[in-house]
This record gives sequence, structure tokens and C-alpha cells, in this order.
Amino acid sequence: DAGVIQSPRHEVTEMGQEVTLRCKPISGHNSLFWYRQTMMRGLELLIYFNNNVPIDDSGMPEDRFSAKMPNASFSTLKIQPSEPRDSAVYFCASSLGTEAFFGQGTRLTVV
Amino acid sequence: GDSVTQMEGPVTLSEEAFLTINCTYTATGYPSLFWYVQYPGEGLQLLLKATKADDKGSNKGFEATYRKETTSFHLEKGSVQVSDSAVYFCALSVPVGFKTIFGAGTRLFVKA
Repeated sequence: DAGVIQSPRHEVTEMGQEVTLRCKPISGHNSLFWYRQTMMRGLELLIYFNNNVPIDDSGMPEDRFSAKMPNASFSTLKIQPSEPRDSAVYFCASSLGTEAFFGQGTRLTVV
Repeated sequence: GDSVTQMEGPVTLSEEAFLTINCTYTATGYPSLFWYVQYPGEGLQLLLKATKADDKGSNKGFEATYRKETTSFHLEKGSVQVSDSAVYFCALSVPVGFKTIFGAGTRLFVKA
């Protein structure tokens, strides 16, 4: 199994632009999580899905952030418009049960 | 609500020293407990886990015991190596929805 696949690995964008991060979970997993990691705030859970349905989005910082999971094999996290303070590493993880498997992350830089 | 608290870092040790990273948790019900490790530039990897009280998780010389009475899951290793330098995250997973909650992470530096 290829594991959780995220794309792109790195993204540099200008303030105000739309950014879309992508995630392909491990086949057969029924839960998917989006996390954000920064030096200041550590690892924050933004949103998680169970069976493609958003269960808890209380960690989404603002309305500029949105996430979708149109099917069991794909999810997106969108930031529109992006701001410099959104610069972070964004991780996607999936699970079947209790153990979460993480992707390599997307390093986002908003200039 | 459910939460995880772990000791602040960084922790700096010499090679072959004994390591302890403290972790305590608050949770309703009976969570599973985990230690994840993050090497530079990579995602988090599961290091070890324990699913019920008194279970001991172990891997690569690391150990942690699920202590329900003290709500703790401290990570230990008898003799650290330079290659153990990384960030270590304590985490719990709640049975409802399998939401995983992480501690703030503890950075470990091991000097040769």
C-alpha cells in the first residue's frame, strides 16, 4: 500500500490567492483527518470525516477554510483567500479504527 | 473535553542516556493511547500503542505503560541514540468516531 498521499508537497502562493490541498487516504480506511502544524500552535486538528461525512469541523480556524470529501478515496482542503498566517505544514491522516496513518504533509507558504 | 498534556521540550541528552517523556491525559470512556514520532521533514509515524489499562506498548527499545489510575502514558528508553532525535507526540483516540487528539509534542536532541 502506498500510504496516505498528499499533494502538492510544497506550495508557495501569494496572499489572496486560493489554495487547494489534496489527500488520498489509504484504501479501506473510513476516517480522514486534516491537521495543521506550526511552531507556535503545534499540531491542530482542523476537521475530520467518518464515512465521507464531516463529523467535527470545530478546529477550522475561519470561514476561509473549507474541506470536502466527495468520495472515500479523495479529500480537499481549500483556503480562499489565503493569508500569510496560514503558512504551515498541513497533514492528512486516515484510519480504520484507532491508529492514524499520516501523509508526508504539504508545506504551504503564503507570501 | 478530551486532552493530552506532555512535557515541554526540548529535551537534550547524551548518547546512551535514559529517556523519559511524561504524558498525561484526560478522557471520557476508555481511550487508546499512542506515541507518534516525527523525524525532520516527515509526517508522523506510529511508534507504539496501548489499548487498555496496564498494557505496555513497545517498539525500537521504547516502552510506555497505560496507567489508568494516574491517567499517564510516559515514554521511556533505556539508552538513546543520535538517530532518536525527533519530535515525539503523545496521543489518545476516543472510541466514538475514533478522533485522535495529540499533545503539543516534545523535541528530543541526542548528542554524540
